[in-house]
Amino acid sequence: GAGVSQSPRYKVAKRGQDVALRCDPISGHVSLFWYQQALGQGPEFLTYFQNEAQLDKSGLPSDRFFAERPEGSVSTLKIQRTQQEDSAVYLCASNWAGLNEQFFGPGTRLTVL
Amino acid sequence: AQSVTQLGSHVSVSEGALVLLRCNYSSSVPPYLFWYVQYPNQGLQLLLKYTSAATLVKGINGFEAEFKKSETSFHLTKPSAHMSDAAEYFCAVTGDFGNEKLTFGTGTRLTIIP
Repeated sequence: GAGVSQSPRYKVAKRGQDVALRCDPISGHVSLFWYQQALGQGPEFLTYFQNEAQLDKSGLPSDRFFAERPEGSVSTLKIQRTQQEDSAVYLCASNWAGLNEQFFGPGTRLTVL
Repeated sequence: AQSVTQLGSHVSVSEGALVLLRCNYSSSVPPYLFWYVQYPNQGLQLLLKYTSAATLVKGINGFEAEFKKSETSFHLTKPSAHMSDAAEYFCAVTGDFGNEKLTFGTGTRLTIIP
């Protein structure tokens, strides 16, 4: 596709449920980033992939958060045993590599009840 | 470590007036600086970026920003506000080759008064 796509766009989960959020980066983009944006805040870094390698996961808030990019393209962010504090918009971004523009997807709004 | 501070979480200007959104950065390495705009229920769109070339950077939609190392600032301006400029604006910094994660400010919501 022409841009970064994310699915689902909206997800409502009951506390304790597991969720999986998908990101399709722009074709050919080597780098992929996940960010978490709480209501009224700026995005905060979660994790970074270069191809299939997860080079930085220092922003993942707990071991309930897990991300993968097995074939170096599509990425999935999984949250186990969701908590109310996980409610946020999860943004995915990609770029070719280096200190260049990151292209953002529309985000997935997660609401945990 | 890098960080950005955006002064003013809300800014209101009249249509046709000057827009000035403030951003100050802190970085232990030469920074790369970005301004992104976010419309409701949408992702972030790049307005402009500073990558150590010209200190005055021109972006889309008539916006520009000037990198001032002595003031550690990268303020965003537009000479004449338009109703369509109403959105959330984020300043961001990165500077580490090998992990180009962005560190964002808390954002400034711009309201345009007709």
